Amino acid sequence: AQSVTQLGSHVSVSEGALVLLRCNYSSSVPPYLFWYVQYPNQGLQLLLKYTSAATLVKGINGFEAEFKKSETSFHLTKPSAHMSDAAEYFCAVSGLLAGANNLFFGTGTRLTVIP
Amino acid sequence: KAGVTQTPRYLIKTRGQQVTLSCSPISGHRSVSWYQQTPGQGLQFLFEYFSETQRNKGNFPGRFSGRQFSNSRSEMNVSTLELGDSALYLCASLTSDNTGELFFGEGSRLTVL
Repeated sequence: AQSVTQLGSHVSVSEGALVLLRCNYSSSVPPYLFWYVQYPNQGLQLLLKYTSAATLVKGINGFEAEFKKSETSFHLTKPSAHMSDAAEYFCAVSGLLAGANNLFFGTGTRLTVIP
Repeated sequence: KAGVTQTPRYLIKTRGQQVTLSCSPISGHRSVSWYQQTPGQGLQFLFEYFSETQRNKGNFPGRFSGRQFSNSRSEMNVSTLELGDSALYLCASLTSDNTGELFFGEGSRLTVL
């Protein structure tokens, strides 16, 4: 079965500080993992995805994530937070390899950036 | 390339009414999934359609239904609306690169009074 756990429903950082959003996954098959961002009253936009190629994945807006199989983690980072990064972030694992074409989402982490 | 288009963006209904939401996937995408998003439950999978057939279904009551047309456009319907059905309903189409990546529309915000 596929699932993800996001640690911390709310994270606050100062502008210019490191952003670290945590995600741990559980998967019965080698996972495809995703980070999505959602701005208010909008749909989800893909930040980056891991598909078993490089373990360090670079995404849009300066975000990156590292797949660590030994820790079953896929944490999202950004070296320097910008005010425009304030949004809700969702980690997800694909059910595709298990025969289900749907993503299993974490509960989300709301990022606040303090000026 | 046009994205996923959902209509209407906002709507208000009263308890007991029914509602139909529409979704046009990215051109060439044949799979459409629907998700319900609420503050309390987060993102929950409703169902997935592929080539006009429902392939997967989440744990929702029969009041929630959907269909897909030959042009891959999809509709979902909720009958006998309840207050708890107030949510953002998101449609997504599946990329064809076999990674399971979904492209989401902006959603339909349903308020039930």
